[in-house]
Amino acid sequence: GAVVSQHPSRVICKSGTSVKIECRSLDFQATTMFWYRQFPKKSLMLMATSNEGSKATYEQGVEKDKFLINHASLTLSTLTVTSAHPEDSSFYICSVGPGNQPQHFGDGTRLSIL
Amino acid sequence: QKEVEQDPGPLSVPEGAIVSLNCTYSNSAFQYFMWYRQYSRKGPELLMYTYSSGNKEDGRFTAQVDKSSKYISLFIRDSQPSDSATYLCAMSAGYGGSQGNLIFGKGTKLSVKP
Repeated sequence: GAVVSQHPSRVICKSGTSVKIECRSLDFQATTMFWYRQFPKKSLMLMATSNEGSKATYEQGVEKDKFLINHASLTLSTLTVTSAHPEDSSFYICSVGPGNQPQHFGDGTRLSIL
Repeated sequence: QKEVEQDPGPLSVPEGAIVSLNCTYSNSAFQYFMWYRQYSRKGPELLMYTYSSGNKEDGRFTAQVDKSSKYISLFIRDSQPSDSATYLCAMSAGYGGSQGNLIFGKGTKLSVKP
C-alpha cells in the first residue's frame, strides 16, 4: 500500500495564526489526495479532495477560503488553516488512494489553537 | 438515521478472546467495505477491505459483509494486548481515486487485557 507522510504531527498556536500542514505520498504519484478532520469521539469527516494541478473540491459546509489546499506536485499536498480559532482545533489527516486500492492515511496533525 | 452506525464501546476483553466488531449502514450504494485500526494519536491503518458481500480472512482477522442486511463485521481471533486500539469501519460506493466519499463509523475502542 501507499506510504503517506504528514508533517507536523503536532501544532499549538495562538488564535489568529495561519497553520500549514504538509502531506507527502512517498512511494506513489498521487493525482488525488484527501483531507479529513476528526473531532474527539466523532467520525473522520472528509473535508476536501485535493487535485494535482487544479482546484480542490470541498465538501459541503467546509469553507474553502479558510482551509486552503494546494496540490502543486504529484507527491505533495498542503492544507493551510487560515486565521485559526479554537473551534478549528482538531486532528487533521490526509490520505492517498492509489489506483484501485483503498485509501492509506498519514499519521495526522493534532492542531490546538489557544 | 446516520449513514454508518458503529457502537463506540469501549469493549474490554481478556487476552485470547474472540472479538466481534460490527457496523450497520443505510446506503445500498456502498460496495466497498474497509476496516481500519487507529492507535492513539495516529492515523488509521488499513486492516481489511472487501468488495460486495462475502468473507475475507487474513491471519487472525476475518471480515464479513452482508449487503442484504447492510451489516459488516470484523472478527479478531486470539486477541492480543497489541490489538488494543480503536477500530473504524469505512465504506464507499467508489474505489481508488473516486473513493473520496469514504464514510466512516465513529470507531469502537477495544482494550485487550493480559
